[in-house]
Amino acid sequence: DQQVKQNSPSLSVQEGRISILNCDYTNSMFDYFLWYKKYPAEGPTFLISISSIKDKNEDGRFTVFLNKSAKHLSLHIVPSQPGDSAVYFCASGTGGTSYGKLTFGQGTILTVHP
Amino acid sequence: DSGVTQTPKHLITATGQRVTLRCSPRSGDLSVYWYQQSLDQGLQFLIQYYNGEERAKGNILERFSAQQFPDLHSELNLSSLELGDSALYFCASSPQSSGLSGNTIYFGEGSWLTVV
Repeated sequence: DQQVKQNSPSLSVQEGRISILNCDYTNSMFDYFLWYKKYPAEGPTFLISISSIKDKNEDGRFTVFLNKSAKHLSLHIVPSQPGDSAVYFCASGTGGTSYGKLTFGQGTILTVHP
Repeated sequence: DSGVTQTPKHLITATGQRVTLRCSPRSGDLSVYWYQQSLDQGLQFLIQYYNGEERAKGNILERFSAQQFPDLHSELNLSSLELGDSALYFCASSPQSSGLSGNTIYFGEGSWLTVV
């Protein structure tokens, strides 16, 4: 049972344009969501998070949108840069004593072309 | 640099052996989490410790165990190793154990375990 799904295995974008990475979840108990960037054989690097009480959070070039009714979140990167090329994971969790027990999606490979 | 330190970075060992992976969380973080990333399973939560106590368990095998010491560093012990245990093992840490504020969990660079 895959509770967090990233349906696009890969995404290719031109430098300067917007990258939109999508994530769907099924567990309505999830109340916070995070995006990580990862290079092969390295640890995930935290990018941005959002709690279920919000529908948008911005940090520089990164914006995360949460649509609770659709159980969907997205990460927007504007403008995209070649250095953004990596695997992007969304992750979800519940608060309380299970905080930090994240469920990860399978990842989306982002390639930003110069 | 996330501030989470893991050792060793790479480890090759034989089937049936036992290894210990070590993690130092970010300064001040009380919670430590262990994750496994294998080729076919993606990133999977194994176990969480908060200030020395086990807090949550995921799909951790009985052959695996972990602990968190008074200085907050943690060790993941993997015994009776099988070929299928070959994976990247990540440690992560966060300052709190619950709540919605500051939902940030930082990962280390991982320990790459190869069982031959």
